[in-house]
Order: sequence, then structure tokens, then C-alpha cells
Amino acid sequence: EVQLGESGGGLVQPGGSLRLSCAASGFTFDNYWMSWVRQAPGKGLEWVANIMPDGSEKYYVDSVKGRFTISRDNAKNSLYLQMNRLRAEDTAVYYCVRYDFWGGNYYFDYWGQGTLVSVHS
Amino acid sequence: QSVLTQPPSASGTPGQRVTISCSGSSSNIGSYSVNWYQQLPGTAPKLLIYINNQRPSGVPDRFSGSKSGTSASLAISGLQSEDEADYYCAAWDDSLIAWVFGGGTKLTVL
Repeated sequence: EVQLGESGGGLVQPGGSLRLSCAASGFTFDNYWMSWVRQAPGKGLEWVANIMPDGSEKYYVDSVKGRFTISRDNAKNSLYLQMNRLRAEDTAVYYCVRYDFWGGNYYFDYWGQGTLVSVHS
Repeated sequence: QSVLTQPPSASGTPGQRVTISCSGSSSNIGSYSVNWYQQLPGTAPKLLIYINNQRPSGVPDRFSGSKSGTSASLAISGLQSEDEADYYCAAWDDSLIAWVFGGGTKLTVL
């Protein structure tokens, strides 16, 4: 059974930093792209970042470029999101998501339960 | 303002058929497949339909998806109370070089 478990969320002041972690199990982690998707309170879903299976390519939504860094440790079956220079608008539940493909088409297939990041003073 | 446009709400009575639309452009839906996610209250999203019309194992065949041009639709037949949830469409956008989601549709079962 595929399981994704996020941790590391919490309350942080504007301008501060936080590192989210995601522990993966139930699948061969280093065969899959992984993603972070967030959801602000009462709002819709927003893709944040993707990372290739070997970590060599990374993609970000414009609003977090230069502030957030996605990374992974395949030996530990873990995904990370380093968030720096946090802003109030980064307040959201952050989901760790597996990213799969079939026939050249991609989709997010398994989601963690999410971890809440609150940015305010 | 979301790149993909969905109606904010939809409703139906038990047993009815409901459709939810998702409108995009040539840089997203017009060029790439569409996926749909169901988010029950207080839970994480769950993959409902992938690559326009494929159902993951375990998703009832009451749920179906379609795509035409720059629009897509999710249809739910035989509506049940447990279908009350938020539904999101998503597609890759090669102009933004980003995944984009619809704003979500809140489905109410009357």
C-alpha cells in the first residue's frame, strides 16, 4: 500500500524558514517523480514543485522560485521542501504527492494527509 | 483567478446525473490530458479520473470523464450522498510551465 506521510509544518513568522519532510513507503520511491501541492485555508489546490526520480531536474511555480527548494533522499525514501523567506500567502496545507505517468501522460496519483504551515506574526 | 475554470458549485438529488465542466485553453487542456480529483470534507484529495477518462482501481463506474478541445467534463451518475465533496480538474500548462488546477466545484447532494 502506497503511503505518504508529511511532517515539519507549524507556525513561523514572515521571513522565516521551515523544512517539510515526507516519508514514502509501499512503492519503489526512486522510480517516481514526486511533487508538493498546497491548499490555502478554504481555497483550491496549487501545485508548488516537482522533482525527477534522481533529483536532477526540478520545477517550481513562479511564486516560490528562489525561495523554496525541493529535494529528495532516495536512500531514505524521503522528499523534502525547504521553504525560506516565508510570506503570509504561503500559509497552506502542504501535500506530498506521487507523480505518475502512462503513455506520456502525467498525473498526481497518491496524496499524503498534508501538513499545515502558518505564516504570521 | 484559476487558469482552469470550473463552476463554484453544483447540486443534484440522489440518483440524478450531474456534470461538472472545466474550461481551459490551447496551452493546457487543448494540448494535454485532464485529471480530476475528489476532496471529501476534511481529507486529502484523491485521484478520481486520470488521462481524461481513466478510472483508478476502486473508483466506481458512476464517475466518468471526457475531453473535447479545450474543455473537459466530469459526470457523476446515480448520485449518492457520499459524493458530496469538492472536485478539481488539473492539467499541465506549457505556456506557464506549471501544473494548473481549476478553482474547484463544491457538489451538494440535496
